[in-house]
Amino acid sequence: GNSVTQMEGPVTLSEEAFLTINCTYTATGYPSLFWYVQYPGEGLQLLLKATKADDKGSNKGFEATYRKETTSFHLEKGSVQVSDSAVYFCALTPRGTGANNLFFGTGTRLTVIP
Amino acid sequence: ETGVTQSPTHLIKTRGQQVTLRCSSQSGHNTVSWYQQALGQGPQFIFQYYREEENGRGNFPPRFSGLQFPNYSSELNVNALELDDSALYLCASSLEGGETQYFGPGTRLLVL
Repeated sequence: GNSVTQMEGPVTLSEEAFLTINCTYTATGYPSLFWYVQYPGEGLQLLLKATKADDKGSNKGFEATYRKETTSFHLEKGSVQVSDSAVYFCALTPRGTGANNLFFGTGTRLTVIP
Repeated sequence: ETGVTQSPTHLIKTRGQQVTLRCSSQSGHNTVSWYQQALGQGPQFIFQYYREEENGRGNFPPRFSGLQFPNYSSELNVNALELDDSALYLCASSLEGGETQYFGPGTRLLVL
């Protein structure tokens, strides 16, 4: 089946610290992988994506590399800001199915303190 | 370009009642998906509509039903509400065959 496992939160970091949020997946075939972010009181926003092995998605200083050998898609940022405080969701879309629905992890809450 | 919009933003119902949630897709997007996000959890796929037909369904009972209209807007209907239906309901739209989904702000439903 299809599933996503994220590191448990919450994560609290000081401003300018390095961020890693681990994400591993199980999927039939070769899925596309996504990171979505949810700011307080808002819906989900696409942060970045990767569609094939060794692809690196990047946006707003965040990066994640599609690792087929370890079935992982860890999110990293070199220097977090207070404005990065949000809940981060790793997700996948399986290939070869009729619907391009997303399977989400449970989310990781990040709080960045000044 | 108008993004995905949902209405209402909040809703309170009692157990056994019925509810209809509405979604307008992003301009040019003909595929709409609905997700349920329980508190502290990731969104769970309910179903997807494409060209006014259901195009995939998650593990939700038949009392969750939907519609898509010719202008690609969509409704989610839930009958016989249960307490566990309390959640944030998210609508997402995408282009035909597109993998990237764009989400609305959600409707928060509370069932008492």
